[in-house]
Amino acid sequence: LAKTTQPISMDSYEGQEVNITCSHNNIATNDYITWYQQFPSQGPRFIIQGYKTKVTNEVASLFIPADRKSSTLSLPRVSLSDTAVYYCLVGDNFNKFYFGSGTKLNVKP
Amino acid sequence: GAGVSQSPRYKVTKRGQDVALRCDPISGHVSLYWYRQALGQGPEFLTYFNYEAQQDKSGLPNDRFSAERPEGSISTLTIQRTEQRDSAMYRCASSSQRGIATNEKLFFGSGTQLSVL
Repeated sequence: LAKTTQPISMDSYEGQEVNITCSHNNIATNDYITWYQQFPSQGPRFIIQGYKTKVTNEVASLFIPADRKSSTLSLPRVSLSDTAVYYCLVGDNFNKFYFGSGTKLNVKP
Repeated sequence: GAGVSQSPRYKVTKRGQDVALRCDPISGHVSLYWYRQALGQGPEFLTYFNYEAQQDKSGLPNDRFSAERPEGSISTLTIQRTEQRDSAMYRCASSSQRGIATNEKLFFGSGTQLSVL
């Protein structure tokens, strides 16, 4: 099962770049890597997805090394509103998107 | 609709009662998922549908839990003879893909907070 491992929590300050790394040693050849963001009292929200190398959108960047056994979500210049739980998921037909506990990011002023 | 809609937003019931939770997915979305989320934890998969067919129900905790999506759109998650341990946030998600693609993107509703007294 292509489960993931990510830090339980991280602290940062406004304006800093935040990098959250996720390990997925058993990723399968066809699996994509997807990150979701969840604010309190809301459902998870898709933020970025990639297969290899680097993906960038208006919210974040996703860096995936050649062996694809890990990935790093990069949030540029975070603000207080980026305080949330971030989940790293690897597409797995048998696992049906195991969310785990995610990484709780706390952005301080 | 514009997003995934779940109702009711809150449901308080007494132990032993049956409850039905409703999910209205994004219009045209093929796949529909049910998750349960405990406080401080990530969503836990319960079951999912492609159109009206229930493809996987391996996450349903026991036979008191059931789900249906008879016309391939709105889905209902039913919990019979509720117990206090069933108290949780129940979330629905939908996807435009058929649930077998590993690059699937899920769109979640706001959930139904179930409290069993």
